[in-house]
Amino acid sequence: GAVVSQHPSRVICKSGTSVKIECRSLDFQATTMFWYRQFPKQSLMLMATSNEGSKATYEQGVEKDKFLINHASLTLSTLTVASAHPEDSSFYICSASGTSGGTDTQYFGPGTRLTVL
Amino acid sequence: AQSVTQPDIHITVSEGASLELRCNYSYGATPYLFWYVQSPGQGLQLLLKYFSGDTLVQGIKGFEAEFKRSQSSFNLRKPSVHWSDAAEYFCAVADNYGQNFVFGPGTRLSVLP
Repeated sequence: GAVVSQHPSRVICKSGTSVKIECRSLDFQATTMFWYRQFPKQSLMLMATSNEGSKATYEQGVEKDKFLINHASLTLSTLTVASAHPEDSSFYICSASGTSGGTDTQYFGPGTRLTVL
Repeated sequence: AQSVTQPDIHITVSEGASLELRCNYSYGATPYLFWYVQSPGQGLQLLLKYFSGDTLVQGIKGFEAEFKRSQSSFNLRKPSVHWSDAAEYFCAVADNYGQNFVFGPGTRLSVLP
């Protein structure tokens, strides 16, 4: 099946630091990638959708200047948390969508745990 | 816009007992429906999905789910639960392109020995 990886799996940083998270589709071309955030004991909330070569579309309430998304190729999307603060601590999950047998579906990465001190 | 409810926040069952996790959705057209499982600190693993066809869907790890359009439900079942099934379970609905996922709030499953 389709595999999506994320790097790093865990990051701890000081407040004010910028953090970059990579999401890669390993064995398929992802025309669309999605970024989710999951706070403890809560469900996943979609942050933004990105199509390769286009600007990301952000969900309401998500600051585009704080959560910078780049989808430069069909296998890589990056999420940069600019000047991270403790309230940005969360579990960030990406997913990638491609066409498999004519049916698009999303394949989820393993997630990145961000802790901002 | 689509929405998903999972009425049970936390369920506890004994190992070997049967399990049913409830999921109700709201969507104007034929939905794409998914069940995912998440172990603590881990990402999501797809258990099964429904796009069309047979309304009883078989998944991995012995799980199955039944799509009932009249009840707007997609309940997950397993005839005999194993201790390793303890995790968080999420139901999700997507539009008819398999995009625009909306996740339910999740149901935490505990398994007693």
